[in-house]
Amino acid sequence: GEDVEQSLFLSVREGDSSVINCTYTDSSSTYLYWYKQEPGAGLQLLTYIFSNMDMKQDQRLTVLLNKKDKHLSLRIADTQTGDSAIYFCAEKDDKIIFGKGTRLHILP
Amino acid sequence: ETGVTQSPTHLIKTRGQQVTLRCSSQSGHNTVSWYQQALGQGPQFIFQYYREEENGRGNFPPRFSGLQFPNYSSELNVNALELDDSALYLCASSIDPWTASYEQYFGPGTRLTVT
Repeated sequence: GEDVEQSLFLSVREGDSSVINCTYTDSSSTYLYWYKQEPGAGLQLLTYIFSNMDMKQDQRLTVLLNKKDKHLSLRIADTQTGDSAIYFCAEKDDKIIFGKGTRLHILP
Repeated sequence: ETGVTQSPTHLIKTRGQQVTLRCSSQSGHNTVSWYQQALGQGPQFIFQYYREEENGRGNFPPRFSGLQFPNYSSELNVNALELDDSALYLCASSIDPWTASYEQYFGPGTRLTVT
């Protein structure tokens, strides 16, 4: 069945790069997404990538897609305290399937 | 700010009761999707409405039902509440289900607690 897997926690020092990884199972997914959720808030769409692309860059965010291995990553350059949140990977075929989220903790 | 609002922000109900949650989408967004997010989990798709018709449903029982109105508002109704229904309920609006990138804009959610 459809499934999206992410590691649950990541700690990164302020100013370093954060890399959040995700694997998915549905090879027919058309789009893959990264969402950010801050405490007490809904989800904010950060970026998305079409399944026939390898990479997408948007300011401090870089998304890499390895379609063969069904692996998606989000790199946040120069991580700031405001990046502290839960990051969800999601895939879309006929509906959107979310992972359980990776909690990003920023160390001073 | 996404322009999507939800009410109420918090709600406490007793097992067996019924609840109605409300969402107001961005103007011009004809699609609304509802998600259930249990504690420590990702959102799970409940159903989607497009122009007031149900347009897809996840693995939720029929006691979860919805309505969408022409004024970009919508409702999620849950009958016969169970303890496991305690969760954050999120609505998300988009222009239509077929927009290539399917960008959804989420509301802040309604936290439902069933005791």
